[in-house]
Amino acid sequence: KQEVTQIPAALSVPEGENLVLNCSFTDSAIYNLQWFRQDPGKGLTSLLLIQSSQREQTSGRLNASLDKSSGRSTLYIAASQPGDSATYLCAVPSQGGSEKLVFGKGTKLTVNP
Amino acid sequence: DGGITQSPKYLFRKEGQNVTLSCEQNLNHDAMYWYRQDPGQGLRLIYYSQIVNDFQKGDIAEGYSVSREKKESFPLTVTSAQKNPTAFYLCASHPRGLASRDEQYFGPGTRLTVT
Repeated sequence: KQEVTQIPAALSVPEGENLVLNCSFTDSAIYNLQWFRQDPGKGLTSLLLIQSSQREQTSGRLNASLDKSSGRSTLYIAASQPGDSATYLCAVPSQGGSEKLVFGKGTKLTVNP
Repeated sequence: DGGITQSPKYLFRKEGQNVTLSCEQNLNHDAMYWYRQDPGQGLRLIYYSQIVNDFQKGDIAEGYSVSREKKESFPLTVTSAQKNPTAFYLCASHPRGLASRDEQYFGPGTRLTVT
């Protein structure tokens, strides 16, 4: 059964700092991995989707990497801003490439001005 | 603007009553999903549908029911059999099911409180 773990559960940093969020998964037979952002009381916004054949995907100040063999992904946020404060979740399809996403519990990020 | 709408944003019900949560998408996506989110537990899949008139149970389907009569609509009914219905409910859609190379898109959510 696919399980996704995100560490740390919460992170507080000063504005301007570069930071890394971690995501690990137990079954490496995945089609892709998706990073989401969730603001309090809101739905999820997709940030980056990395295909299994890719090692990195970039969007603005965000860079996500994927190492399938070790079952890990990282989300790198450069020059953090208070507006980056949110919960970040990663998700992968469950075992066997079924039509279900398995989510981590998220990392709650606070960027202090 | 293309997207997913969920209504209402907040919903209050008395215990023992069934309640239906609306989810509509105008993205022309084939697949639609319902998730439940509880504090500290992450998202859990309730039901999903890949085509009209077909749907599958997710990990926590007990006490819930769905229908998919139209491609753009996937309503979720929380029945009185659901023991802990108070939660944040999220609807999502995907172009061709998760085996494709596309992202999953989410609606804004409905917060259901049952007292």
